[in-house]
Amino acid sequence: SAVISQKPSRDICQRGTSLTIQCQVDSQVTMMFWYRQQPGQSLTLIATANQGSEATYESGFVIDKFPISRPNLTFSTLTVSNMSPEDSSIYLCSVEDAGSTEAFFGQGTRLTVV
Amino acid sequence: AQSVTQLGSHVSVSEGALVLLRCNYSSSVPPYLFWYVQYPNQGLQLLLKYTSAATLVKGINGFEAEFKKSETSFHLTKPSAHMSDAAEYFCAVKNTGNQFYFGTGTSLTVIP
Repeated sequence: SAVISQKPSRDICQRGTSLTIQCQVDSQVTMMFWYRQQPGQSLTLIATANQGSEATYESGFVIDKFPISRPNLTFSTLTVSNMSPEDSSIYLCSVEDAGSTEAFFGQGTRLTVV
Repeated sequence: AQSVTQLGSHVSVSEGALVLLRCNYSSSVPPYLFWYVQYPNQGLQLLLKYTSAATLVKGINGFEAEFKKSETSFHLTKPSAHMSDAAEYFCAVKNTGNQFYFGTGTSLTVIP
């Protein structure tokens, strides 16, 4: 199973600022994803991070708000831009490998916007 | 689109009692099914998964789940709850398009 390191683990940010979350995997993986988990709710897929190309965003999420990078097969970043209190959530990195049915998750980044 | 329904957002059981967490999915094609657990301030950890092999799936920490196609259910059980089982549990479905759909989660409280 993949070991995923996500940082920061938590942060408190001022509205209008941006935060970049990093996801590092201990092995090369085919697929990397970013999820949002709002308080008391389930996971919502933000986007699929594609290596070497633009991320694929789900309905309701746009690149200007959540720019994503994936420079190689072991690393990705998610930026939450121009933050507002509504962006307060847990953001989770997830990975899957080719031929595997399950997803592995980082420990999450707990973001509070004040 | 797929949907996953977890009945009961909060479940409380006494230590040593049976744990039953319910999950129903919407699909006519048996998908991949999963249960994940999330301990406080941590990410999701896979408990078990169904991938069209045996309908009764055994996972970690004494949990198991039974896939019932006729009921489109995949309920999670454990014969005897431990205090360490207190956590948030998520049922998830993965469709043929390889996208995950998660339920809204069930928070399990274990009463000493």
